Amino acid sequence: AQKITQTQPGMFVQEKEAVTLDCTYDTSDPSYGLFWYKQPSSGEMIFLIYQGSYDQQNATEGRYSLNFQKARKSANLVISASQLGDSAMYFCAMRELVRGAQKLVFGQGTRLTINP
Amino acid sequence: DVKVTQSSRYLVKRTGEKVFLECVQDMDHENMFWYRQDPGLGLRLIYFSYDVKMKEKGDIPEGYSVSREKKERFSLILESASTNQTSMYLCASSFVQGTNEKLFFGSGTQLSVL
Repeated sequence: AQKITQTQPGMFVQEKEAVTLDCTYDTSDPSYGLFWYKQPSSGEMIFLIYQGSYDQQNATEGRYSLNFQKARKSANLVISASQLGDSAMYFCAMRELVRGAQKLVFGQGTRLTINP
Repeated sequence: DVKVTQSSRYLVKRTGEKVFLECVQDMDHENMFWYRQDPGLGLRLIYFSYDVKMKEKGDIPEGYSVSREKKERFSLILESASTNQTSMYLCASSFVQGTNEKLFFGSGTQLSVL
């Protein structure tokens, strides 16, 4: 079964608009972490934001915020005031413990295109 | 700055060859990971390691093995390369400090198996 699901293969948004990228996850571990990464065309993986399962508040990092809805098992990324440089692939990932080891799995990704 | 270094950016090998992909991190991280990235499939976990000589299978371990003899080095081995192992391979390491976690990636190795 897919542990991390990103249902939007591609999204097109006008510059300066806010955008929400969807991510749902599946785990029975009460302690887990959720990440978002950006991969521009250069291929590097850029860390954006992290949310721990016990964090009471939604994580924020500049223009990025994570809409964490634990009961629904969703961890959507919100980018406010989108910019042309936000065009990239975006990956959601989850960390859980497996036999005492940290295991990180990623979703299929969403390709975001910002139009001028 | 944390550095995760993958030994080759591009690699071309022949079917049946034994292939070693090397990854070194310089921050004493315990956890290290190998992924392959294919269009439409995202990053898929091949193997991960939480300490020297300790390893766990990821979601697609078939056709691969790993070695972690030293904490800073995590090697991915293709015992007998096949064309369906042509892919971008990404190595990563992570630290956990209280409620803060971060995953650091290498720049990737594009492997072509002919």
